[in-house]
Amino acid sequence: NAGVTQTPKFRVLKTGQSMTLLCAQDMNHEYMYWYRQDPGMGLRLIHYSVGEGTTAKGEVPDGYNVSRLKKQNFLLGLESAAPSQTSVYFCASSFYNEQFFGPGTRLTVL
Amino acid sequence: GENVEQHPSTLSVQEGDSAVIKCTYSDSASNYFPWYKQELGKGPQLIIDIRSNVGEKKDQRIAVTLNKTAKHFSLHITETQPEDSAVYFCAAASTSYGKLTFGQGTILTVHP
Repeated sequence: NAGVTQTPKFRVLKTGQSMTLLCAQDMNHEYMYWYRQDPGMGLRLIHYSVGEGTTAKGEVPDGYNVSRLKKQNFLLGLESAAPSQTSVYFCASSFYNEQFFGPGTRLTVL
Repeated sequence: GENVEQHPSTLSVQEGDSAVIKCTYSDSASNYFPWYKQELGKGPQLIIDIRSNVGEKKDQRIAVTLNKTAKHFSLHITETQPEDSAVYFCAAASTSYGKLTFGQGTILTVHP
């Protein structure tokens, strides 16, 4: 099993550009999450999903959109990237409480 | 919403010493408290967790204690080894959807 995978691993964007981060899990988990990690601030929840076709806002949802069209995939979109969105993004999935994390995507917005 | 405070932000110990990281939480409804270890360039990985109906849990050199009255929980690592060097995060959850609120993280360095 691959667990949780994320693509791409690295990306550099210019302000105003858009992109989509892909998260995939092969553990048949219902719950999936997107976090951002910034120095000294831990991991903050952006959006989450409790099942295929559902999404909900987390702690810092502004500037991001998500979709969960298939149970195994959770997409995070940035419609118009801003320098404040420079961060490391982690996806996670869970059956109940224990969350399994992907390796992260390092995004830089210039 | 939930707020989790973690201390210290950095911790440096000699190999063989013990390390203690402490967290406090604000929401009395929180009932699940995991600890994650994050190595450089990787995603966080669960190392131990505790539920609100338990006061202490051990797994080899790692233990977690929970004081529900005071709303704090702690991670204890005994006989530290250089491979324990990493960033450690505490978290708390109070909903059935498994949403976690993380502390700010502790950078642990174990010197040989």
